[in-house]
Amino acid sequence: AQSVTQLDSHVSVSEGTPVLLRCNYSSSYSPSLFWYVQHPNKGLQLLLKYTSAATLVKGINGFEAEFKKSETSFHLTKPSAHMSDAAEYFCVVRKVAGTALIFGKGTTLSVSS
Amino acid sequence: GAVVSQHPSWVICKSGTSVKIECRSLDFQATTMFWYRQFPKQSLMLMATSNEGSKATYEQGVEKDKFLINHASLTLSTLTVTSAHPEDSSFYICSAPSRDYYEQYFGPGTRLTVT
Repeated sequence: AQSVTQLDSHVSVSEGTPVLLRCNYSSSYSPSLFWYVQHPNKGLQLLLKYTSAATLVKGINGFEAEFKKSETSFHLTKPSAHMSDAAEYFCVVRKVAGTALIFGKGTTLSVSS
Repeated sequence: GAVVSQHPSWVICKSGTSVKIECRSLDFQATTMFWYRQFPKQSLMLMATSNEGSKATYEQGVEKDKFLINHASLTLSTLTVTSAHPEDSSFYICSAPSRDYYEQYFGPGTRLTVT
Protein backbone atom coordinates (compact mmCIF):
# COMPACT_ATOMS: atom_id res chain seq x y z
CA ALA A 1 0.00 0.00 0.00
CA GLN A 2 1.13 3.51 -0.67
CA SER A 3 1.35 6.20 1.94
CA VAL A 4 3.09 9.41 2.86
CA THR A 5 4.17 10.51 6.31
CA GLN A 6 4.73 14.14 7.12
CA LEU A 7 7.18 14.17 9.97
CA ASP A 8 6.19 17.52 11.48
CA SER A 9 2.67 18.65 12.21
CA HIS A 10 3.82 22.22 12.79
CA VAL A 11 6.88 24.16 11.67
CA SER A 12 7.65 27.71 12.78
CA VAL A 13 10.24 29.90 11.08
CA SER A 14 11.17 33.55 10.98
CA GLU A 15 10.72 35.57 7.84
CA GLY A 16 13.81 35.35 5.67
CA THR A 17 15.03 32.03 7.11
CA PRO A 18 14.98 28.67 5.28
CA VAL A 19 11.98 26.39 5.28
CA LEU A 20 12.15 22.61 5.51
CA LEU A 21 9.00 20.49 5.51
CA ARG A 22 9.71 16.78 5.72
CA CYS A 23 7.90 13.97 3.97
CA ASN A 24 8.63 10.26 3.71
CA TYR A 25 6.80 7.99 1.33
CA SER A 26 6.06 4.32 1.08
CA SER A 27 5.46 2.76 -2.31
CA SER A 28 6.22 -0.51 -4.04
CA TYR A 29 6.49 1.29 -7.33
CA SER A 30 8.16 4.45 -8.54
CA PRO A 31 5.79 6.99 -7.06
CA SER A 32 4.29 10.18 -8.36
CA LEU A 33 4.66 12.68 -5.54
CA PHE A 34 3.24 16.14 -5.04
CA TRP A 35 3.24 19.00 -2.61
CA TYR A 36 0.05 21.02 -2.28
CA VAL A 37 -0.55 24.16 -0.25
CA GLN A 38 -3.83 25.21 1.33
CA HIS A 39 -4.28 28.77 2.49
CA PRO A 40 -7.14 29.55 4.86
CA ASN A 41 -10.46 29.66 3.06
CA LYS A 42 -8.83 28.92 -0.27
CA GLY A 43 -8.59 25.86 -2.49
CA LEU A 44 -5.63 23.53 -2.72
CA GLN A 45 -2.84 24.74 -4.96
CA LEU A 46 -0.19 22.55 -6.53
CA LEU A 47 3.32 23.62 -5.53
CA LEU A 48 5.28 21.01 -7.43
CA LYS A 49 5.25 17.42 -8.65
CA TYR A 50 7.68 14.58 -9.15
CA THR A 51 6.93 12.07 -11.87
CA SER A 52 10.24 10.15 -12.29
CA ALA A 53 12.06 12.82 -14.26
CA ALA A 54 14.62 15.04 -12.52
CA THR A 55 15.02 14.27 -8.82
CA LEU A 56 15.23 17.94 -7.90
CA VAL A 57 11.90 19.51 -8.66
CA LYS A 58 11.33 23.25 -8.76
CA GLY A 59 7.91 24.60 -8.01
CA ILE A 60 6.13 27.87 -7.68
CA ASN A 61 6.95 30.67 -5.24
CA GLY A 62 10.56 29.53 -4.82
CA PHE A 63 9.81 26.10 -3.40
CA GLU A 64 11.82 23.02 -4.29
CA ALA A 65 11.70 19.35 -3.40
CA GLU A 66 14.22 16.58 -3.83
CA PHE A 67 13.24 13.00 -4.45
CA LYS A 68 15.63 10.66 -2.62
CA LYS A 69 14.88 7.03 -3.33
CA SER A 70 17.50 5.72 -0.89
CA GLU A 71 15.86 7.66 1.92
CA THR A 72 12.28 7.37 0.60
CA SER A 73 11.97 11.08 1.16
CA PHE A 74 10.52 14.05 -0.68
CA HIS A 75 11.25 17.04 1.51
CA LEU A 76 10.04 20.52 0.58
CA THR A 77 12.41 23.46 0.94
CA LYS A 78 12.54 27.18 0.36
CA PRO A 79 15.66 29.30 0.92
CA SER A 80 13.87 32.27 2.44
CA ALA A 81 10.44 32.26 4.03
CA HIS A 82 7.92 34.97 3.37
CA MET A 83 4.96 35.88 5.52
CA SER A 84 2.65 34.83 2.73
CA ASP A 85 4.02 31.28 2.93
CA ALA A 86 2.12 30.68 6.16
CA ALA A 87 -0.35 27.92 5.29
CA GLU A 88 -1.05 24.20 5.48
CA TYR A 89 1.17 22.02 3.32
CA PHE A 90 0.33 18.52 2.18
CA CYS A 91 2.65 15.86 0.82
CA VAL A 92 0.70 13.65 -1.57
CA VAL A 93 1.26 10.41 -3.46
CA ARG A 94 -0.78 9.26 -6.43
CA LYS A 95 -2.34 5.84 -6.22
CA VAL A 96 -0.78 3.36 -8.61
CA ALA A 97 -4.18 2.02 -9.58
CA GLY A 98 -6.09 4.96 -10.96
CA THR A 99 -5.45 8.61 -10.42
CA ALA A 100 -6.72 9.28 -6.92
CA LEU A 101 -4.41 10.94 -4.42
CA ILE A 102 -3.38 9.94 -0.91
CA PHE A 103 -2.71 12.89 1.36
CA GLY A 104 -0.34 13.15 4.26
CA LYS A 105 -1.68 14.61 7.48
CA GLY A 106 -0.35 18.05 6.69
CA THR A 107 2.19 20.45 8.15
CA THR A 108 1.19 23.87 9.36
CA LEU A 109 3.84 26.43 8.49
CA SER A 110 3.93 29.56 10.64
CA VAL A 111 6.10 32.50 9.65
CA SER A 112 6.91 35.23 12.16
CA SER A 113 8.29 38.65 11.44
CA GLY B 1 -5.07 26.75 -15.87
CA ALA B 2 -8.03 24.45 -15.48
CA VAL B 3 -10.71 25.60 -13.06
CA VAL B 4 -12.99 23.51 -10.89
CA SER B 5 -15.86 25.19 -9.09
CA GLN B 6 -18.09 24.03 -6.27
CA HIS B 7 -21.50 25.19 -5.22
CA PRO B 8 -22.45 26.10 -2.63
CA SER B 9 -19.33 27.23 -0.82
CA TRP B 10 -21.10 27.03 2.52
CA VAL B 11 -24.34 25.37 3.57
CA ILE B 12 -26.16 24.87 6.84
CA CYS B 13 -28.89 22.27 7.05
CA LYS B 14 -30.99 20.68 9.74
CA SER B 15 -30.43 17.17 10.94
CA GLY B 16 -32.37 14.66 8.85
CA THR B 17 -32.44 16.71 5.68
CA SER B 18 -30.44 16.13 2.51
CA VAL B 19 -28.06 18.52 0.84
CA LYS B 20 -26.55 18.49 -2.64
CA ILE B 21 -23.09 19.78 -3.50
CA GLU B 22 -22.11 20.45 -7.10
CA CYS B 23 -18.66 20.16 -8.64
CA ARG B 24 -18.08 21.57 -12.11
CA SER B 25 -15.11 21.62 -14.42
CA LEU B 26 -15.41 25.02 -16.03
CA ASP B 27 -13.11 24.90 -19.03
CA PHE B 28 -12.40 21.23 -19.57
CA GLN B 29 -14.17 17.90 -19.58
CA ALA B 30 -13.70 15.39 -16.81
CA THR B 31 -14.83 11.80 -17.14
CA THR B 32 -13.54 11.24 -13.63
CA MET B 33 -13.87 13.41 -10.55
CA PHE B 34 -12.92 12.76 -6.96
CA TRP B 35 -14.63 13.66 -3.71
CA TYR B 36 -12.65 14.27 -0.54
CA ARG B 37 -13.63 15.06 3.00
CA GLN B 38 -11.56 17.20 5.34
CA PHE B 39 -12.19 17.49 9.06
CA PRO B 40 -11.01 20.64 10.85
CA LYS B 41 -7.25 20.85 11.00
CA GLN B 42 -6.92 17.41 9.45
CA SER B 43 -5.96 15.93 6.13
CA LEU B 44 -8.08 15.14 3.13
CA MET B 45 -9.61 11.69 2.94
CA LEU B 46 -10.70 10.30 -0.40
CA MET B 47 -14.38 9.36 -0.24
CA ALA B 48 -15.16 8.22 -3.74
CA THR B 49 -14.32 8.36 -7.41
CA SER B 50 -17.07 9.70 -9.62
CA ASN B 51 -17.27 8.26 -13.12
CA GLU B 52 -19.28 9.87 -15.90
CA GLY B 53 -22.01 7.55 -17.09
CA SER B 54 -21.38 4.84 -14.53
CA LYS B 55 -21.52 4.14 -10.83
CA ALA B 56 -19.16 5.81 -8.43
CA THR B 57 -16.43 3.85 -6.70
CA TYR B 58 -16.44 4.33 -2.94
CA GLU B 59 -13.52 3.98 -0.58
CA GLN B 60 -13.70 1.46 2.21
CA GLY B 61 -15.79 2.68 5.09
CA VAL B 62 -17.75 5.27 3.11
CA GLU B 63 -21.51 4.67 3.15
CA LYS B 64 -22.78 4.55 -0.41
CA ASP B 65 -26.39 5.14 0.58
CA LYS B 66 -25.51 8.17 2.63
CA PHE B 67 -23.20 9.88 0.18
CA LEU B 68 -24.87 9.64 -3.21
CA ILE B 69 -22.70 10.59 -6.16
CA ASN B 70 -23.98 11.32 -9.64
CA HIS B 71 -21.76 12.20 -12.58
CA ALA B 72 -24.39 13.20 -15.08
CA SER B 73 -22.21 14.98 -17.61
CA LEU B 74 -18.59 15.52 -18.54
CA THR B 75 -18.48 18.73 -16.54
CA LEU B 76 -20.67 18.05 -13.52
CA SER B 77 -20.53 15.70 -10.55
CA THR B 78 -22.83 15.99 -7.55
CA LEU B 79 -22.52 14.71 -4.00
CA THR B 80 -25.74 14.39 -2.03
CA VAL B 81 -25.49 13.90 1.70
CA THR B 82 -28.71 12.15 2.62
CA SER B 83 -30.35 12.32 6.04
CA ALA B 84 -27.54 14.48 7.29
CA HIS B 85 -26.44 14.37 10.92
CA PRO B 86 -24.11 16.63 12.88
CA GLU B 87 -21.24 14.17 12.43
CA ASP B 88 -21.48 14.76 8.67
CA SER B 89 -20.42 18.35 9.23
CA SER B 90 -17.17 18.75 7.36
CA PHE B 91 -15.37 20.38 4.47
CA TYR B 92 -16.05 18.58 1.18
CA ILE B 93 -13.64 19.07 -1.70
CA CYS B 94 -13.83 17.78 -5.25
CA SER B 95 -11.13 17.48 -7.86
CA ALA B 96 -10.70 16.54 -11.49
CA PRO B 97 -7.58 15.13 -13.12
CA SER B 98 -5.65 16.77 -15.90
CA ARG B 99 -5.71 15.22 -19.35
CA ASP B 100 -2.50 13.30 -18.68
CA TYR B 101 -3.76 12.33 -15.23
CA TYR B 102 -0.54 13.54 -13.63
CA GLU B 103 -2.17 16.46 -11.89
CA GLN B 104 -5.47 17.20 -10.20
CA TYR B 105 -7.37 20.44 -10.10
CA PHE B 106 -9.20 21.08 -6.86
CA GLY B 107 -12.38 22.95 -6.21
CA PRO B 108 -12.48 25.55 -3.43
CA GLY B 109 -14.48 23.26 -1.18
CA THR B 110 -17.91 23.29 0.44
CA ARG B 111 -18.32 23.68 4.17
CA LEU B 112 -21.31 21.72 5.44
CA THR B 113 -22.71 22.37 8.88
CA VAL B 114 -25.53 20.15 10.14
CA THR B 115 -27.44 21.48 13.10
